[in-house]
Amino acid sequence: ETGVTQTPRHLVMGMTNKKSLKCEQHLGHNAMYWYKQSAKKPLELMFVYNFKEQTENNSVPSRFSPECPNSSHLFLHLHTLQPEDSALYLCASSQQGQGEWNTEAFFGQGTRLTVV
Amino acid sequence: AQSVTQPDIHITVSEGASLELRCNYSYGATPYLFWYVQSPGQGLQLLLKYFSGDTLVQGIKGFEAEFKRSQSSFNLRKPSVHWSDAAEYFCAVAFIKAAGNKLTFGGGTRVLVKP
Repeated sequence: ETGVTQTPRHLVMGMTNKKSLKCEQHLGHNAMYWYKQSAKKPLELMFVYNFKEQTENNSVPSRFSPECPNSSHLFLHLHTLQPEDSALYLCASSQQGQGEWNTEAFFGQGTRLTVV
Repeated sequence: AQSVTQPDIHITVSEGASLELRCNYSYGATPYLFWYVQSPGQGLQLLLKYFSGDTLVQGIKGFEAEFKRSQSSFNLRKPSVHWSDAAEYFCAVAFIKAAGNKLTFGGGTRVLVKP
């Protein structure tokens, strides 16, 4: 098992569909992240979860809904997406200390999402 | 707000030649700096990181980077490039928060390696 696993690797969905992306980390980390990588834009942080609590929402539209049931799993629920939401969605995890930087972020391989 | 600039979108280099990728950042304090590499269809893999101490940092795959505070730069170098180094490289700055790290990425530099 790799450190951070994302499923599915590829997803094609219509604008009226509802789908979910899954991320699982096997590193014992306590923080998880969703990033969006579009074709002509830098990697963008979407959400941060620390100890299952959402600590950051980077002005992400409500059609993206994250869920973190425990420290090892992170979901991104998708509904009524737009074609411009087509991108590579990357999950990451890290270990957070108390006010100190502990580890760098470890990334999954991503889910390539195409909205048609 | 913090920002990261990678001035070169594409770089083509011959196999065996040296490589240098530029990274400049804007940040209110001494940052935590990273270089990640992304092969086609893959996630990001950490090459190296700078937190403090020696400003010349060694990483995996023969890469190194030098932090220059006066120039707000963290350039990545490799003395001799291999064909497998063809990938996209991202510089990132960390904003330290106890509640979860925020990485700000540069736009990336795509490296092509000629035989």
